[in-house]
Amino acid sequence: ETGVTQTPRHLVMGMTNKKSLKCEQHLGHNAMYWYKQSAKKPLELMFVYNFKEQTENNSVPSRFSPECPNSSHLFLHLHTLQPEDSALYLCASSQDPANIQYFGAGTRLSVL
Amino acid sequence: QQPVQSPQAVILREGEDAVINCSSSKALYSVHWYRQKHGEAPVFLMILLKGGEQKGHEKISASFNEKKQQSSLYLTASQLSYSGTYFCGTESQGAQKLVFGQGTRLTINP
Repeated sequence: ETGVTQTPRHLVMGMTNKKSLKCEQHLGHNAMYWYKQSAKKPLELMFVYNFKEQTENNSVPSRFSPECPNSSHLFLHLHTLQPEDSALYLCASSQDPANIQYFGAGTRLSVL
Repeated sequence: QQPVQSPQAVILREGEDAVINCSSSKALYSVHWYRQKHGEAPVFLMILLKGGEQKGHEKISASFNEKKQQSSLYLTASQLSYSGTYFCGTESQGAQKLVFGQGTRLTINP
């Protein structure tokens, strides 16, 4: 148990669906992250939030929409995804953007 | 700038040693090492903050050569439980963010 909880753990959606991934951290951290991890690919940073403000968007398509209502919660809203978006989506948090990151267990997403 | 890890994959027999390297084109302030077991989230192993610093964790240790802008992770007398993908994360001086390498897949066979 890392203190970072992601829900759901698994998600199957069609290309026309709208769904959201949720991440919650109980570590009192100020920075939160979304990563995409595809088979045989490295960790691809998507978004960084620090004190609820987005500080990095790594050229992510607009069909992925992040939301950070407070320092403990992070969402990733998904709409009109493509099959190539199927991947493991990992959330992480840290005290600040250069500090040790604690990862959630991830959401395994399949887009049909 | 993403650090470069080498090798990309290693296959060992239990008890053998391995070295994983992480190189950056920029001057580094810190290097982090993480391990991700199959089907699990990455887990922090250690952080190196000073040039020339060496840290150890059981039979896993690491060094940080500030001049060469690289770090190496040493796994001695490897155990089956060491299998997984190892990632280095580097913080360049002044960048205040962590960038991960592409990972090194380590397989330990009995």
